[in-house]
Amino acid sequence: QQPVQSPQAVILREGEDAVINCSSSKALYSVHWYRQKHGEAPVFLMILLKGGEQKGHEKISASFNEKKQQSSLYLTASQLSYSGTYFCGTEYRAGKLIFGQGTTLQVKP
Amino acid sequence: DAGVIQSPRHEVTEMGQEVTLRCKPISGHNSLFWYRQTMMRGLELLIYFNNNVPIDDSGMPEDRFSAKMPNASFSTLKIQPSEPRDSAVYFCASSFAGEQYFGPGTRLTVT
Repeated sequence: QQPVQSPQAVILREGEDAVINCSSSKALYSVHWYRQKHGEAPVFLMILLKGGEQKGHEKISASFNEKKQQSSLYLTASQLSYSGTYFCGTEYRAGKLIFGQGTTLQVKP
Repeated sequence: DAGVIQSPRHEVTEMGQEVTLRCKPISGHNSLFWYRQTMMRGLELLIYFNNNVPIDDSGMPEDRFSAKMPNASFSTLKIQPSEPRDSAVYFCASSFAGEQYFGPGTRLTVT
Protein backbone atom coordinates (compact mmCIF):
# COMPACT_ATOMS: atom_id res chain seq x y z
CA GLN A 1 0.00 0.00 0.00
CA GLN A 2 3.02 2.26 0.20
CA PRO A 3 2.90 4.85 -2.60
CA VAL A 4 5.71 4.82 -5.13
CA GLN A 5 7.70 7.98 -5.65
CA SER A 6 9.83 8.83 -8.67
CA PRO A 7 12.53 9.72 -9.22
CA GLN A 8 14.43 8.50 -6.18
CA ALA A 9 16.94 11.32 -6.45
CA VAL A 10 17.35 14.56 -8.37
CA ILE A 11 20.28 16.93 -8.71
CA LEU A 12 19.56 20.43 -9.98
CA ARG A 13 21.28 23.74 -10.50
CA GLU A 14 19.73 26.81 -8.94
CA GLY A 15 16.94 28.12 -11.12
CA GLU A 16 16.10 24.78 -12.72
CA ASP A 17 12.75 23.04 -12.40
CA ALA A 18 11.86 19.60 -11.10
CA VAL A 19 8.83 17.34 -10.89
CA ILE A 20 8.37 14.64 -8.28
CA ASN A 21 5.71 12.01 -8.82
CA CYS A 22 3.71 9.89 -6.40
CA SER A 23 1.63 6.94 -7.49
CA SER A 24 -0.82 4.77 -5.59
CA SER A 25 -2.53 1.50 -6.42
CA LYS A 26 -5.55 2.31 -4.26
CA ALA A 27 -8.23 4.96 -4.35
CA LEU A 28 -7.12 7.98 -2.38
CA TYR A 29 -8.86 10.37 -0.03
CA SER A 30 -6.06 12.91 -0.31
CA VAL A 31 -2.35 13.32 -0.97
CA HIS A 32 0.04 15.20 1.31
CA TRP A 33 3.51 16.51 0.50
CA TYR A 34 6.27 17.09 3.09
CA ARG A 35 9.90 18.11 2.93
CA GLN A 36 12.52 16.90 5.38
CA LYS A 37 16.00 18.33 5.73
CA HIS A 38 18.77 16.20 7.15
CA GLY A 39 18.45 15.79 10.91
CA GLU A 40 15.15 17.66 11.05
CA ALA A 41 11.47 16.79 11.17
CA PRO A 42 9.26 16.65 8.07
CA VAL A 43 7.59 19.96 7.26
CA PHE A 44 4.16 20.24 5.66
CA LEU A 45 4.05 21.62 2.11
CA MET A 46 0.66 20.84 0.63
CA ILE A 47 -2.52 18.80 0.77
CA LEU A 48 -4.51 17.87 -2.32
CA LEU A 49 -8.01 16.62 -1.71
CA LYS A 50 -10.45 14.70 -3.84
CA GLY A 51 -12.57 17.18 -5.71
CA GLY A 52 -9.72 19.55 -6.42
CA GLU A 53 -9.27 21.50 -3.21
CA GLN A 54 -5.67 22.33 -2.31
CA LYS A 55 -4.09 23.76 0.79
CA GLY A 56 -0.48 24.73 1.05
CA HIS A 57 2.31 27.17 0.42
CA GLU A 58 1.88 29.72 -2.33
CA LYS A 59 5.22 28.96 -3.96
CA ILE A 60 4.59 25.23 -4.17
CA SER A 61 2.33 23.76 -6.80
CA ALA A 62 1.05 20.26 -7.22
CA SER A 63 -1.55 18.26 -9.05
CA PHE A 64 -3.73 15.30 -8.18
CA ASN A 65 -5.13 13.02 -10.85
CA GLU A 66 -7.94 11.18 -9.05
CA LYS A 67 -8.56 8.86 -11.93
CA LYS A 68 -4.97 7.63 -12.03
CA GLN A 69 -4.37 8.00 -8.27
CA GLN A 70 -1.28 10.02 -9.01
CA SER A 71 0.09 13.28 -7.70
CA SER A 72 2.96 15.45 -8.89
CA LEU A 73 4.86 18.15 -7.04
CA TYR A 74 6.28 20.96 -9.16
CA LEU A 75 9.34 22.84 -7.99
CA THR A 76 10.08 25.80 -10.22
CA ALA A 77 13.08 28.11 -10.25
CA SER A 78 14.69 25.98 -7.55
CA GLN A 79 16.66 27.58 -4.75
CA LEU A 80 19.36 26.13 -2.52
CA SER A 81 16.80 26.01 0.30
CA TYR A 82 14.73 23.51 -1.68
CA SER A 83 17.28 20.79 -1.00
CA GLY A 84 16.01 17.93 1.13
CA THR A 85 13.96 14.78 0.93
CA TYR A 86 10.40 15.07 -0.32
CA PHE A 87 7.77 12.65 0.85
CA CYS A 88 4.30 12.12 -0.42
CA GLY A 89 1.78 10.76 2.03
CA THR A 90 -1.30 9.05 0.73
CA GLU A 91 -4.48 9.02 2.74
CA TYR A 92 -6.75 6.05 2.02
CA ARG A 93 -8.75 6.56 5.12
CA ALA A 94 -9.27 9.88 6.88
CA GLY A 95 -6.36 10.54 9.19
CA LYS A 96 -4.13 7.63 8.22
CA LEU A 97 -1.12 8.64 6.10
CA ILE A 98 1.15 6.16 4.39
CA PHE A 99 4.39 7.77 3.26
CA GLY A 100 6.38 6.99 0.15
CA GLN A 101 10.05 6.15 0.31
CA GLY A 102 11.08 9.73 -0.43
CA THR A 103 12.81 11.64 -3.22
CA THR A 104 16.12 13.28 -2.43
CA LEU A 105 16.56 16.67 -4.07
CA GLN A 106 19.91 18.42 -4.17
CA VAL A 107 20.16 21.94 -5.53
CA LYS A 108 23.64 23.12 -6.39
CA PRO A 109 24.82 26.71 -6.91
CA ASP B 1 2.76 28.56 19.58
CA ALA B 2 5.73 26.41 20.58
CA GLY B 3 4.89 23.67 18.13
CA VAL B 4 4.84 19.98 18.96
CA ILE B 5 7.13 19.21 21.88
CA GLN B 6 8.84 15.85 22.32
CA SER B 7 11.04 14.55 25.07
CA PRO B 8 13.64 13.32 25.44
CA ARG B 9 15.41 14.39 22.25
CA HIS B 10 17.92 11.59 22.57
CA GLU B 11 17.68 8.34 24.48
CA VAL B 12 20.32 5.65 24.79
CA THR B 13 19.32 2.53 26.65
CA GLU B 14 20.29 -1.08 27.01
CA MET B 15 18.35 -3.95 25.56
CA GLY B 16 15.60 -5.07 27.88
CA GLN B 17 15.02 -1.69 29.47
CA GLU B 18 11.74 0.19 29.36
CA VAL B 19 11.64 3.35 27.26
CA THR B 20 8.99 6.07 27.44
CA LEU B 21 8.74 8.78 24.84
CA ARG B 22 6.60 11.85 25.46
CA CYS B 23 4.72 14.25 23.27
CA LYS B 24 2.81 17.48 23.77
CA PRO B 25 0.72 18.36 20.70
CA ILE B 26 -0.10 21.86 19.52
CA SER B 27 -2.91 23.33 21.55
CA GLY B 28 -6.25 22.98 19.79
CA HIS B 29 -5.19 20.09 17.57
CA ASN B 30 -7.47 17.08 17.90
CA SER B 31 -5.40 14.40 16.17
CA LEU B 32 -2.08 12.99 17.27
CA PHE B 33 0.21 10.61 15.40
CA TRP B 34 3.28 8.56 16.32
CA TYR B 35 5.74 7.71 13.54
CA ARG B 36 9.00 5.80 13.41
CA GLN B 37 11.70 6.57 10.86
CA THR B 38 14.60 4.33 9.86
CA MET B 39 16.77 4.15 6.77
CA MET B 40 15.48 0.68 5.94
CA ARG B 41 11.76 1.16 6.48
CA GLY B 42 11.32 4.89 5.96
CA LEU B 43 8.63 6.84 7.78
CA GLU B 44 6.05 4.49 9.29
CA LEU B 45 2.82 5.37 11.07
CA LEU B 46 2.61 3.47 14.36
CA ILE B 47 -0.65 4.72 15.86
CA TYR B 48 -2.92 7.71 15.75
CA PHE B 49 -5.48 9.24 18.08
CA ASN B 50 -8.48 11.41 17.40
CA ASN B 51 -9.90 13.36 20.34
CA ASN B 52 -7.67 11.28 22.66
CA VAL B 53 -9.10 7.98 21.39
CA PRO B 54 -6.84 5.50 19.56
CA ILE B 55 -8.22 5.09 16.05
CA ASP B 56 -5.70 2.86 14.31
CA ASP B 57 -2.82 1.00 15.96
CA SER B 58 -2.19 -1.45 13.14
CA GLY B 59 1.30 -0.03 12.67
CA MET B 60 2.43 -0.87 16.18
CA PRO B 61 5.03 -3.55 15.52
CA GLU B 62 4.55 -5.76 18.55
CA ASP B 63 2.96 -6.01 21.96
CA ARG B 64 6.13 -4.50 23.35
CA PHE B 65 4.87 -1.16 22.03
CA SER B 66 2.02 0.71 23.69
CA ALA B 67 0.71 4.27 23.43
CA LYS B 68 -1.60 6.35 25.54
CA MET B 69 -3.21 9.75 25.35
CA PRO B 70 -4.70 10.51 28.76
CA ASN B 71 -5.68 14.05 27.77
CA ALA B 72 -5.61 16.46 24.86
CA SER B 73 -2.19 17.83 25.74
CA PHE B 74 -0.11 14.73 26.39
CA SER B 75 0.73 11.38 24.86
CA THR B 76 3.28 8.66 25.56
CA LEU B 77 4.79 5.85 23.53
CA LYS B 78 6.26 3.07 25.62
CA ILE B 79 8.52 0.24 24.56
CA GLN B 80 8.98 -2.60 27.02
CA PRO B 81 11.29 -4.41 26.78
CA SER B 82 13.36 -2.53 24.24
CA GLU B 83 15.45 -4.30 21.60
CA PRO B 84 18.29 -3.08 19.33
CA ARG B 85 15.98 -3.21 16.30
CA ASP B 86 13.83 -0.53 17.93
CA SER B 87 16.61 1.99 17.33
CA ALA B 88 15.11 4.75 15.20
CA VAL B 89 13.88 8.32 15.26
CA TYR B 90 10.38 8.52 16.69
CA PHE B 91 8.25 11.48 15.64
CA CYS B 92 5.05 12.74 17.12
CA ALA B 93 2.79 14.90 14.93
CA SER B 94 -0.47 16.71 15.57
CA SER B 95 -3.18 17.95 13.28
CA PHE B 96 -6.44 19.88 13.25
CA ALA B 97 -7.49 20.31 9.62
CA GLY B 98 -5.47 17.70 7.77
CA GLU B 99 -1.94 19.07 7.63
CA GLN B 100 0.32 17.44 10.19
CA TYR B 101 2.89 19.30 12.25
CA PHE B 102 5.80 17.19 13.37
CA GLY B 103 7.77 17.46 16.56
CA PRO B 104 11.60 17.44 16.49
CA GLY B 105 11.71 13.71 17.15
CA THR B 106 13.37 11.44 19.69
CA ARG B 107 16.44 9.58 18.53
CA LEU B 108 16.40 6.22 20.29
CA THR B 109 19.43 4.00 20.43
CA VAL B 110 19.11 0.57 22.04
CA THR B 111 22.42 -1.19 22.65
